[in-house]
Amino acid sequence: DGGITQSPKYLFRKEGQNVTLSCEQNLNHDAMYWYRQDPGQGLRLIYYSQIVNDFQKGDIAEGYSVSREKKESFPLTVTSAQKNPTAFYLCASSGVRWVQPQHFGDGTRLSIL
Amino acid sequence: SQQGEEDPQALSIQEGENATMNCSYKTSINNLQWYRQNSGRGLVHLILIRSNEREKHSGRLRVTLDTSKKSSSLLITASRAADTASYFCATDDNNNDMRFGAGTRLTVKP
Repeated sequence: DGGITQSPKYLFRKEGQNVTLSCEQNLNHDAMYWYRQDPGQGLRLIYYSQIVNDFQKGDIAEGYSVSREKKESFPLTVTSAQKNPTAFYLCASSGVRWVQPQHFGDGTRLSIL
Repeated sequence: SQQGEEDPQALSIQEGENATMNCSYKTSINNLQWYRQNSGRGLVHLILIRSNEREKHSGRLRVTLDTSKKSSSLLITASRAADTASYFCATDDNNNDMRFGAGTRLTVKP
């Protein structure tokens, strides 16, 4: 079945540590997105990519980095510069940026040790 | 920044009743989408309605769009306990930036 796989489901970060969240899709979608969701709030866009080797900052990119070396993969690194990383992170993909519905993974919950 | 604002924040109904959620937004849009999120899971797309459409149906779901009032509503008819989830609207504005609201948390009691 086609879909988006995020891993791990739960992740713990120590002070000063970078951690990487994985996102893989087999839907042959060009566009991929990373969102952050805090309790009781909507989704805020961190980064998006419309094509391989290209990505753009979203509303809250500070403290995060991404890469898009393959169409199927869009990993997100939460760096030590992100002082409040505890949140639920969601990855999504779509055929054409914004125009078509987005397909979401089941998220990674990141907490601070 | 959030574009869509859902109302109410939380809604509790009995099974079999209808549930109506509203979404208001600030700027002109190209389309509006509704998504559903079960607790601890990703979002699932429900319906996309374009700015030149006024109403769309999908099974027990009915979405309306009033661009003059910058608002949309999602109606779930004959609700079931399995409809318990958070529902989000997302708007795609003329800058091709998509924004999600904070969501309505729906509880359907059996």
